[in-house]
Amino acid sequence: QVQLVESGGGVVQPGGSLRLSCAASGFTYTRYGFHWVRQAPGKGLEWVAVIWFDGRDKYYVDSVKGRFTISRDNTKNTVSLQMNSLRADDTAIYYCARRDPGSGAADSWGQGTLVTVSS
Amino acid sequence: SYVLTQPPSVSVAPGKTAKIACGGNNLGAKSVHWYQQKPGQAPVLVIYYDSARPSGIPERFSGSSSGNTATLTISSIEAGDEADYYCQVWDSNSDHMVFGGGTKLTVL
Repeated sequence: QVQLVESGGGVVQPGGSLRLSCAASGFTYTRYGFHWVRQAPGKGLEWVAVIWFDGRDKYYVDSVKGRFTISRDNTKNTVSLQMNSLRADDTAIYYCARRDPGSGAADSWGQGTLVTVSS
Repeated sequence: SYVLTQPPSVSVAPGKTAKIACGGNNLGAKSVHWYQQKPGQAPVLVIYYDSARPSGIPERFSGSSSGNTATLTISSIEAGDEADYYCQVWDSNSDHMVFGGGTKLTVL
């Protein structure tokens, strides 16, 4: 069965860095793109970034451009989100989600990893 | 940037039908997807391509889209349907995934 498992969350000071990982299994990883979506405490879903199935196209929400980088490692079936210059408003649960190549919908989600930016 | 608007809350009695609206400019020209999120859990896709149901999603869940509005309809409401529901599209003008603000469905 499809599994997405996020890791790498934790507490970091403002201005610090963190690298999130998403381990994928149970499907043909190279056929799919992946999103990172976050949810601040008590708030709605906010899209963060996407990487296409072939890794050539990557897009970001404006608030993280230049600070976050999405990447994928096809030898390890993982997707990563490198987060630099973290701010308090980056505090959220970060979800990895698989992008269905046909519809573009996020058809499978991990359980999320919590990132807390605080001094 | 593209904006999707949802009502903050909808309440419905058990056994009745809930309709959750999602508004956006010329939304009918885009593919709309809907997610259900229960407290403490990750979102789950319940409708894609406006009206298609993923495997495992009950037939009680249906969707439609036309003009500036998409609608998620849940019939024969059960207590277990209580959750937050989000609509979502891909905005090809900005290459951004866009979510609505979410609607909290309360079962009375």
